[in-house]
Amino acid sequence: NAGVTQTPKFRVLKTGQSMTLLCAQDMNHEYMYWYRQDPGMGLRLIHYSVGEGTTAKGEVPDGYNVSRLKKQNFLLGLESAAPSQTSVYFCASSDGTSGSYNEQFFGPGTRLTVL
Amino acid sequence: AQSVTQLDSHVSVSEGTPVLLRCNYSSSYSPSLFWYVQHPNKGLQLLLKYTSAATLVKGINGFEAEFKKSETSFHLTKPSAHMSDAAEYFCVVSPWGGAAGNKLTFGGGTRVLVKP
Repeated sequence: NAGVTQTPKFRVLKTGQSMTLLCAQDMNHEYMYWYRQDPGMGLRLIHYSVGEGTTAKGEVPDGYNVSRLKKQNFLLGLESAAPSQTSVYFCASSDGTSGSYNEQFFGPGTRLTVL
Repeated sequence: AQSVTQLDSHVSVSEGTPVLLRCNYSSSYSPSLFWYVQHPNKGLQLLLKYTSAATLVKGINGFEAEFKKSETSFHLTKPSAHMSDAAEYFCVVSPWGGAAGNKLTFGGGTRVLVKP
């Protein structure tokens, strides 16, 4: 049981390049999330998904797209990277059932630098 | 709407002395509340959670937190700090029962330094 895994762990991009971050979970969770972490700001929600085939915008969605084609995977895409997207990106998942405690399980993070 | 304020961005303690990390929240729903810890260059680990049962919540590694509705607070404490407690701590609020997509709202974090 690996929990939540993220690929890659590190990446350096040039401005304007594109990339996709992959998140996978093996806990059969319905809900999945993408966050970015910047110093002094905690984690901010980019996009989330409440089930296979569904996605929704979070707090800071601009410049990112997501897809949830399979229940266990949640992809985060940057079509044209900008230096402001330099950050650490975390994926998380949760059970999402009614009455749940909303505990989210986090991946190890992806450190992205955009030059 | 919900928000979280961690009142100290940095806390410095000596090994063996008590730790207090302060958190105030606001929520339109009856909230679930969490404390997460992040060690350097690591992911987030759940320390403890409040889920409307007991107001005093015990977590891992000797940490505990008390939910005080009248003060809208959820402060984290530990009686005796250990060097391994040096990390960043996040107070987090979520609407109870799966409302609003279970979205979490994070505080800005408190970085704890433990001096020998």
